[in-house]
Amino acid sequence: EIVLTQSPGTLSLSPGERATLSCWASQSLTSNYLAWYQQTPGQAPRLLIYGASTRATGIPDRFSGSGSGTDFTLTISRLEPGDFAVYYCQQYGSSPLTFGGGTKVEIK
Amino acid sequence: QVQLLQSGAELKKPGASVKVSCKAFGYTFTSYSMHWVRQAPGQGLEWMGMINPSGGTTTFAQKFQGRVAMARDTSTNTVYMDLYSLRSEDTAVYYCARVSLSGYIPGDYWGQGTLVTVYS
Repeated sequence: EIVLTQSPGTLSLSPGERATLSCWASQSLTSNYLAWYQQTPGQAPRLLIYGASTRATGIPDRFSGSGSGTDFTLTISRLEPGDFAVYYCQQYGSSPLTFGGGTKVEIK
Repeated sequence: QVQLLQSGAELKKPGASVKVSCKAFGYTFTSYSMHWVRQAPGQGLEWMGMINPSGGTTTFAQKFQGRVAMARDTSTNTVYMDLYSLRSEDTAVYYCARVSLSGYIPGDYWGQGTLVTVYS
């Protein structure tokens, strides 16, 4: 099973600031099958990025994903009020599919 | 538009079983696999398994092997997830999510979630 480790656990930032979230995999991911999701309280996760760097339909370009192999990053260029949420990475190239433990982005 | 509509909240005793449904709207049902993910209160996301609605084949996380079943009804565009021998640790919100059959695009649409509470 591929273990995903997200860092930091919590990120305290102000609106307008840049957020950088990390996700490390215990082994190299097949075809960079790495996704990022955003989840707000009481809501289902929302797909932001797949294939490590492809934005999902309707996702604004202030969200970007990068990385390959075992090291991946989600960057939010300028935080807006609706971006304060929990973010999860997921690898979906190897069964069982696994998620990271999440990074909470909170308002400073 | 694409929508996944799940069944309502359930309250169960330990040892009982639960069936959660997920009805798909707005796309060709057999062109996407359906995955189930759960989230315990205040915790992260956990993948349980998937079903290919086209042939009905399933894959489960080892943790749930022998305790979970998934089925589909192509006449109603609905998938079902059964979890047996419930224990308190199964208290969670259960989500269905569609995934492209190629596997390249993961959960782009999710159901609203079904809260299953196991209490004694």
